[in-house]
Amino acid sequence: GENVEQHPSTLSVQEGDSAVIKCTYSDSASNYFPWYKQELGKRPQLIIDIRSNVGEKKDQRIAVTLNKTAKHFSLHITETQPEDSAVYFCAASSHRDDKIIFGKGTRLHILP
Amino acid sequence: DAGITQSPRYKITETGRQVTLMCHQTWSHSYMFWYRQDLGHGLRLIYYSAAADITDKGEVPDGYVVSRSKTENFPLTLESATRSQTSVYFCATVAGPSYNEQFFGPGTRLTVL
Repeated sequence: GENVEQHPSTLSVQEGDSAVIKCTYSDSASNYFPWYKQELGKRPQLIIDIRSNVGEKKDQRIAVTLNKTAKHFSLHITETQPEDSAVYFCAASSHRDDKIIFGKGTRLHILP
Repeated sequence: DAGITQSPRYKITETGRQVTLMCHQTWSHSYMFWYRQDLGHGLRLIYYSAAADITDKGEVPDGYVVSRSKTENFPLTLESATRSQTSVYFCATVAGPSYNEQFFGPGTRLTVL
């Protein structure tokens, strides 16, 4: 089955700097890669996603890149702000079995 | 999102007792999922369902039972609760195979003493 690895587990960046979180997946049939943000005590919420027919997608300060050959995808947050502090999860899914498998999460701290 | 609810939100039980966590959605989405969230493990899939009367195992199904007699409900039962099942449980839905975005419920915090 699919296995998703996520790094780093914890990341601290200065406010205004960029943050990058990386994930790898194992199943070459995976074709959908969402990223979720979870604030303390809240439910995970989708912030951006990318499908396998696209190499990069951007939404304001957030961008995701996908390298299908290497089976890895990354989340980029630019001009970080205090409200970006949260746990971020990557995930992978394929139409073969419709399961969505998550990475273990990255706790992002934005330092003042 | 208001369209998916979980009950109870908090539950304390004892080892060996049966516990059922409820999940209800108002959208009539095809797919429903149960995850558990533990520190250091992220979100792990327990069971999922593609439609009423269709369920499949996820990554960590042992000790859990699910059913889906109606599209809008997806209860998760711990038949004999163990301390290792202390966790936060999230239910989620997806509209269908072409609609991948998952919407999560508010979660249930379960403590097994």
